[in-house]
Amino acid sequence: GAGVSQSPSNKVTEKGKDVELRCDPISGHTALYWYRQSLGQGLEFLIYFQGNSAPDKSGLPSDRFSAERTGGSVSTLTIQRTQQEDSAVYLCASSFTGGPGDTQYFGPGTRLTVL
Amino acid sequence: TQLLEQSPQFLSIQEGENLTVYCNSSSVFSSLQWYRQEPGEGPVLLVTVVTGGEVKKLKRLTFQFGDARKDSSLHITAAQPGDTGLYLCAVNQAGTALIFGKGTTLSVSS
Repeated sequence: GAGVSQSPSNKVTEKGKDVELRCDPISGHTALYWYRQSLGQGLEFLIYFQGNSAPDKSGLPSDRFSAERTGGSVSTLTIQRTQQEDSAVYLCASSFTGGPGDTQYFGPGTRLTVL
Repeated sequence: TQLLEQSPQFLSIQEGENLTVYCNSSSVFSSLQWYRQEPGEGPVLLVTVVTGGEVKKLKRLTFQFGDARKDSSLHITAAQPGDTGLYLCAVNQAGTALIFGKGTTLSVSS
Protein backbone atom coordinates (compact mmCIF):
# COMPACT_ATOMS: atom_id res chain seq x y z
CA GLY A 1 0.00 0.00 0.00
CA ALA A 2 0.98 3.63 -0.33
CA GLY A 3 0.78 4.58 3.32
CA VAL A 4 1.47 3.23 6.79
CA SER A 5 -0.98 0.52 7.76
CA GLN A 6 -1.81 -0.78 11.22
CA SER A 7 -3.76 -3.76 12.46
CA PRO A 8 -6.09 -4.37 14.08
CA SER A 9 -7.91 -1.05 13.86
CA ASN A 10 -9.69 -1.81 17.13
CA LYS A 11 -8.81 -4.20 19.92
CA VAL A 12 -10.84 -4.90 23.05
CA THR A 13 -9.20 -7.05 25.68
CA GLU A 14 -9.59 -7.99 29.30
CA LYS A 15 -7.29 -6.74 32.01
CA GLY A 16 -4.32 -9.05 32.40
CA LYS A 17 -4.28 -10.35 28.82
CA ASP A 18 -1.41 -9.79 26.38
CA VAL A 19 -1.95 -7.92 23.10
CA GLU A 20 0.07 -7.50 19.90
CA LEU A 21 -0.29 -4.51 17.62
CA ARG A 22 1.14 -4.54 14.12
CA CYS A 23 2.58 -1.78 11.93
CA ASP A 24 3.48 -1.97 8.24
CA PRO A 25 5.59 1.09 7.34
CA ILE A 26 5.92 2.71 3.94
CA SER A 27 8.15 0.58 1.74
CA GLY A 28 11.75 1.79 1.82
CA HIS A 29 11.42 3.76 5.05
CA THR A 30 14.22 2.82 7.44
CA ALA A 31 12.85 4.63 10.49
CA LEU A 32 9.77 3.52 12.40
CA TYR A 33 8.16 5.10 15.47
CA TRP A 34 5.45 4.10 17.93
CA TYR A 35 3.39 6.72 19.73
CA ARG A 36 0.46 6.52 22.13
CA GLN A 37 -2.44 8.98 22.16
CA SER A 38 -4.71 9.22 25.18
CA LEU A 39 -7.21 11.85 26.27
CA GLY A 40 -5.30 13.02 29.28
CA GLN A 41 -1.74 12.83 28.02
CA GLY A 42 -2.01 13.70 24.35
CA LEU A 43 0.35 12.11 21.85
CA GLU A 44 3.44 10.56 23.46
CA PHE A 45 6.51 8.90 21.94
CA LEU A 46 7.14 5.26 22.86
CA ILE A 47 9.99 3.81 20.80
CA TYR A 48 12.06 4.48 17.66
CA PHE A 49 13.56 1.91 15.28
CA GLN A 50 16.35 2.49 12.78
CA GLY A 51 16.33 -0.64 10.69
CA ASN A 52 15.84 -3.52 13.11
CA SER A 53 17.54 -1.74 16.02
CA ALA A 54 15.83 0.39 18.64
CA PRO A 55 18.27 3.13 19.66
CA ASP A 56 15.60 5.01 21.59
CA LYS A 57 13.21 3.14 23.89
CA SER A 58 12.92 5.99 26.34
CA GLY A 59 9.16 6.41 26.00
CA LEU A 60 8.12 2.87 26.91
CA PRO A 61 6.11 3.36 30.12
CA SER A 62 6.97 0.04 31.79
CA ASP A 63 8.62 -3.32 31.19
CA ARG A 64 5.22 -4.69 30.18
CA PHE A 65 5.73 -2.87 26.87
CA SER A 66 8.09 -4.22 24.22
CA ALA A 67 8.50 -3.90 20.48
CA GLU A 68 10.43 -5.55 17.72
CA ARG A 69 11.02 -4.97 14.05
CA THR A 70 12.01 -7.66 11.62
CA GLY A 71 13.48 -7.44 8.14
CA GLY A 72 13.64 -3.68 8.47
CA SER A 73 9.95 -3.57 7.78
CA VAL A 74 7.03 -4.79 9.91
CA SER A 75 6.98 -3.92 13.60
CA THR A 76 5.01 -5.43 16.46
CA LEU A 77 4.26 -3.65 19.74
CA THR A 78 3.44 -6.09 22.54
CA ILE A 79 1.77 -5.17 25.80
CA GLN A 80 1.83 -7.86 28.46
CA ARG A 81 -0.62 -8.13 31.35
CA THR A 82 -2.66 -5.20 30.08
CA GLN A 83 -4.03 -2.65 32.54
CA GLN A 84 -6.95 -0.25 32.12
CA GLU A 85 -4.55 2.69 31.92
CA ASP A 86 -3.11 1.12 28.74
CA SER A 87 -6.34 2.04 26.93
CA ALA A 88 -5.38 4.48 24.18
CA VAL A 89 -4.84 4.82 20.46
CA TYR A 90 -1.46 3.42 19.45
CA LEU A 91 -0.04 5.17 16.38
CA CYS A 92 2.82 4.05 14.19
CA ALA A 93 4.81 6.36 11.92
CA SER A 94 7.63 5.85 9.46
CA SER A 95 10.15 8.13 7.78
CA PHE A 96 12.69 7.68 5.02
CA THR A 97 15.90 8.10 7.01
CA GLY A 98 14.98 9.05 10.58
CA GLY A 99 16.86 12.33 10.47
CA PRO A 100 15.49 15.36 12.36
CA GLY A 101 14.27 17.03 9.18
CA ASP A 102 12.60 13.91 7.86
CA THR A 103 8.80 13.87 7.55
CA GLN A 104 7.07 11.24 9.65
CA TYR A 105 4.02 9.61 8.05
CA PHE A 106 1.45 8.25 10.46
CA GLY A 107 -0.84 5.26 10.21
CA PRO A 108 -4.49 5.39 11.29
CA GLY A 109 -3.76 3.81 14.66
CA THR A 110 -5.04 0.91 16.72
CA ARG A 111 -7.63 1.79 19.35
CA LEU A 112 -6.98 -0.41 22.38
CA THR A 113 -9.64 -0.78 25.06
CA VAL A 114 -8.80 -2.71 28.22
CA LEU A 115 -11.87 -3.75 30.20
CA THR B 1 5.51 20.39 32.74
CA GLN B 2 4.40 20.33 29.12
CA LEU B 3 7.13 21.44 26.69
CA LEU B 4 4.56 22.82 24.22
CA GLU B 5 1.45 24.58 25.48
CA GLN B 6 -1.38 24.90 22.98
CA SER B 7 -4.34 27.22 23.30
CA PRO B 8 -7.22 27.25 23.20
CA GLN B 9 -7.87 23.61 23.98
CA PHE B 10 -11.27 23.70 22.25
CA LEU B 11 -12.70 26.09 19.67
CA SER B 12 -16.17 25.96 18.15
CA ILE B 13 -16.99 28.49 15.43
CA GLN B 14 -19.31 29.14 12.52
CA GLU B 15 -18.34 28.74 8.90
CA GLY B 16 -16.74 31.91 7.54
CA GLU B 17 -15.17 33.06 10.83
CA ASN B 18 -11.46 33.63 11.30
CA LEU B 19 -9.47 32.03 14.10
CA THR B 20 -6.00 31.78 15.55
CA VAL B 21 -4.51 28.99 17.64
CA TYR B 22 -1.26 29.18 19.53
CA CYS B 23 1.66 26.99 20.44
CA ASN B 24 3.94 28.37 23.17
CA SER B 25 7.06 27.28 24.99
CA SER B 26 9.87 28.68 27.10
CA SER B 27 12.38 26.70 25.03
CA VAL B 28 14.02 27.65 21.76
CA PHE B 29 13.58 25.30 18.81
CA SER B 30 15.41 24.90 15.54
CA SER B 31 12.11 24.12 13.83
CA LEU B 32 8.45 23.50 14.63
CA GLN B 33 5.79 21.53 12.84
CA TRP B 34 1.99 21.77 12.62
CA TYR B 35 -0.19 18.72 12.06
CA ARG B 36 -3.91 18.17 11.56
CA GLN B 37 -5.58 15.00 12.74
CA GLU B 38 -9.08 13.91 11.77
CA PRO B 39 -11.09 11.31 13.71
CA GLY B 40 -9.88 7.77 13.08
CA GLU B 41 -6.76 8.95 11.28
CA GLY B 42 -3.17 9.69 12.18
CA PRO B 43 -1.76 13.23 12.21
CA VAL B 44 -0.84 14.69 8.82
CA LEU B 45 1.96 17.22 8.49
CA LEU B 46 0.78 20.66 7.34
CA VAL B 47 3.95 22.72 7.54
CA THR B 48 7.42 23.03 9.06
CA VAL B 49 8.69 26.47 10.11
CA VAL B 50 12.40 26.95 10.55
CA THR B 51 13.40 30.62 10.62
CA GLY B 52 12.46 33.06 13.39
CA GLY B 53 9.69 35.36 12.14
CA GLU B 54 8.95 33.08 9.22
CA VAL B 55 5.44 33.15 7.76
CA LYS B 56 4.14 30.32 5.60
CA LYS B 57 0.79 30.16 3.84
CA LEU B 58 -1.14 27.07 2.84
CA LYS B 59 -4.34 28.24 1.10
CA ARG B 60 -6.44 29.79 3.91
CA LEU B 61 -3.97 28.73 6.63
CA THR B 62 -1.18 31.07 7.73
CA PHE B 63 1.59 29.81 10.01
CA GLN B 64 4.03 32.04 11.83
CA PHE B 65 7.15 31.16 13.82
CA GLY B 66 8.00 33.60 16.60
CA ASP B 67 11.06 35.81 16.23
CA ALA B 68 12.73 34.04 19.16
CA ARG B 69 11.70 30.59 17.84
CA LYS B 70 9.86 29.79 21.08
CA ASP B 71 6.30 30.00 19.81
CA SER B 72 4.11 29.69 16.77
CA SER B 73 0.61 30.53 15.62
CA LEU B 74 -1.82 29.15 13.07
CA HIS B 75 -4.41 31.50 11.60
CA ILE B 76 -7.33 30.22 9.53
CA THR B 77 -9.24 32.67 7.35
CA ALA B 78 -12.90 32.04 6.52
CA ALA B 79 -13.04 28.65 8.23
CA GLN B 80 -14.93 25.85 6.53
CA PRO B 81 -16.42 22.62 7.96
CA GLY B 82 -13.59 20.72 6.28
CA ASP B 83 -11.15 22.50 8.61
CA THR B 84 -12.63 20.60 11.56
CA GLY B 85 -10.06 18.50 13.36
CA LEU B 86 -7.33 18.39 15.99
CA TYR B 87 -4.44 20.78 15.33
CA LEU B 88 -1.14 19.74 16.88
CA CYS B 89 2.19 21.47 17.07
CA ALA B 90 5.34 19.39 17.46
CA VAL B 91 9.08 19.71 17.74
CA ASN B 92 11.89 17.28 17.08
CA GLN B 93 13.90 17.86 20.21
CA ALA B 94 16.20 14.85 20.36
CA GLY B 95 16.62 14.35 16.66
CA THR B 96 14.30 11.39 16.30
CA ALA B 97 11.05 11.39 18.24
CA LEU B 98 8.50 14.15 17.92
CA ILE B 99 7.23 15.92 21.04
CA PHE B 100 3.66 17.11 20.64
CA GLY B 101 1.50 19.67 22.32
CA LYS B 102 -1.90 18.48 23.51
CA GLY B 103 -3.60 20.14 20.59
CA THR B 104 -6.52 22.41 19.77
CA THR B 105 -9.77 20.71 18.81
CA LEU B 106 -11.51 22.86 16.19
CA SER B 107 -15.15 22.43 15.23
CA VAL B 108 -16.54 24.46 12.33
CA SER B 109 -20.27 24.29 11.80
CA SER B 110 -22.16 25.34 8.68
